[in-house]
Amino acid sequence: KQEVTQIPAALSVPEGENLVLNCSFTDSAIYNLQWFRQDPGKGLTSLLLIQSSQREQTSGRLNASLDKSSGRSTLYIAASQPGDSATYLCAVRRGSSNTGKLIFGQGTTLQVKP
Amino acid sequence: DADVTQTPRNRITKTGKRIMLECSQTKGHDRMYWYRQDPGLGLRLIYYSFDVKDINKGEISDGYSVSRQAQAKFSLSLESAIPNQTALYFCATSDAAGGALGTQYFGPGTRLLVL
Repeated sequence: KQEVTQIPAALSVPEGENLVLNCSFTDSAIYNLQWFRQDPGKGLTSLLLIQSSQREQTSGRLNASLDKSSGRSTLYIAASQPGDSATYLCAVRRGSSNTGKLIFGQGTTLQVKP
Repeated sequence: DADVTQTPRNRITKTGKRIMLECSQTKGHDRMYWYRQDPGLGLRLIYYSFDVKDINKGEISDGYSVSRQAQAKFSLSLESAIPNQTALYFCATSDAAGGALGTQYFGPGTRLLVL
């Protein structure tokens, strides 16, 4: 059974700091991995999607990496800003591909202090 | 206007009551999903539908039922609500399964409290 774990559960950093959020999964047979951002009252927004054949994806100040063999992904946020404060969720799609079902981690709640 | 809308946004109900949560989307996607989120447990899949005639159970379907009234509408029902169904409920949609096109788009959520 696929399990997804995110550490730490919460993180507080001063503005401008670079930071890394971690996601691990137990079954390396994944189709892809997504990072989402969750803001209170606004649902989830997809940030980056990495296919199983890819090693990383970048969007602006965000960079997500994927190491399938070790069952790990990281989300790197450069030069953090107070507007980055949110909960970040990673989710993996199972290797069977066609189902579209996602398995989510518990999330990391990030606070960036001005 | 939001692509995925959920109604109501907040709901308080009593144990034993039947309630329905509704989801509508304007993205033209075939696939729709219902998740619940509990503190410390992440999101878990309740039901999913690949088209109007295809509905499937997710990880935690007991105590829930769904109806896909049209391509754009997917409703979640709690036939007899119980307190441990208190949670934040999300609807999501996606199109094709492959590649970036399979990204799921989420509604804003419905916060449900069962007393």
